[in-house]
Amino acid sequence: AQSVTQLGSHVSVSEGALVLLRCNYSSSVPPYLFWYVQYPNQGLQLLLKYTTGATLVKGINGFEAEFKKSETSFHLTKPSAHMSDAAEYFCAVSPFDTGGFKTIFGAGTRLFVKA
Amino acid sequence: DAGITQSPRHKVTETGTPVTLRCHQTENHRYMYWYRQDPGHGLRLIHYSYGVKDTDKGEVSDGYSVSRSKTEDFLLTLESATSSQTSVYFCAISVTSGATDTQYFGPGTRLTVL
Repeated sequence: AQSVTQLGSHVSVSEGALVLLRCNYSSSVPPYLFWYVQYPNQGLQLLLKYTTGATLVKGINGFEAEFKKSETSFHLTKPSAHMSDAAEYFCAVSPFDTGGFKTIFGAGTRLFVKA
Repeated sequence: DAGITQSPRHKVTETGTPVTLRCHQTENHRYMYWYRQDPGHGLRLIHYSYGVKDTDKGEVSDGYSVSRSKTEDFLLTLESATSSQTSVYFCAISVTSGATDTQYFGPGTRLTVL
C-alpha cells in the first residue's frame, strides 16, 4: 500500500527566505510524484511532477523538487519566498503505470509568508 | 485551466435531504473523479468514472452515488445528506501523457449540511 506523509501542517517563512516543504512516501512499486498548490477558494493546481529520468524537477513559479529514492522523499523547495506563495501545498503519489484513481494525497502543508 | 466547472459552488442544506453536485468538462476526457477535502485529510477519492456509465468506488464512497450519462458530465449525489458530509468537494479529470496520468481539478463546491 502506498502512503504520503507531509511533515508539518504549517510552515512559516519570511519573504525572501528559503522555502522547504517536506514529503515522504511509501510505495511498493516505483511511484510517480506530484506537488500541487491550492490558493484560497480555488482548486488544486499542478506545480510539478516526477515520472522518470532527471531526479530534480523544476515547476512553475520558481519551485523545484528532488526525488530521492534512498530517502523515499520528494521535498519541495524555492530559493526565495514571495508573499504570493502563501497557499496550501499537497504532495501526491501514484504507482507506476496505473490510473489516477490510485493517486494518494498528503494531508497538506499550509505555507505562511511573513513580510 | 482544464475546462472544468462545478455547480453549485456553495450549498447549504439540511440533514436528510438529497443533494446533487455537478461537474462539467469541455475537453472530452475519459476519466473523471470526485474527491472530498477535509482538514488534516488532504483529498480523498469518493468515486471515479472511466467512461459513460462506467464508474467505480473510491476510498470514501459510503453515502454517495454517481452517474455519468454523457462524457462531459459527472454527477455526485448524496442520497440523504448527513453532517459528516460537510466538506469541500472537488471534481477532477486526468490527462495521460506517456505512462503518467496527471489530474486537473475544478474550483470546488463547498457543502454545508446542517
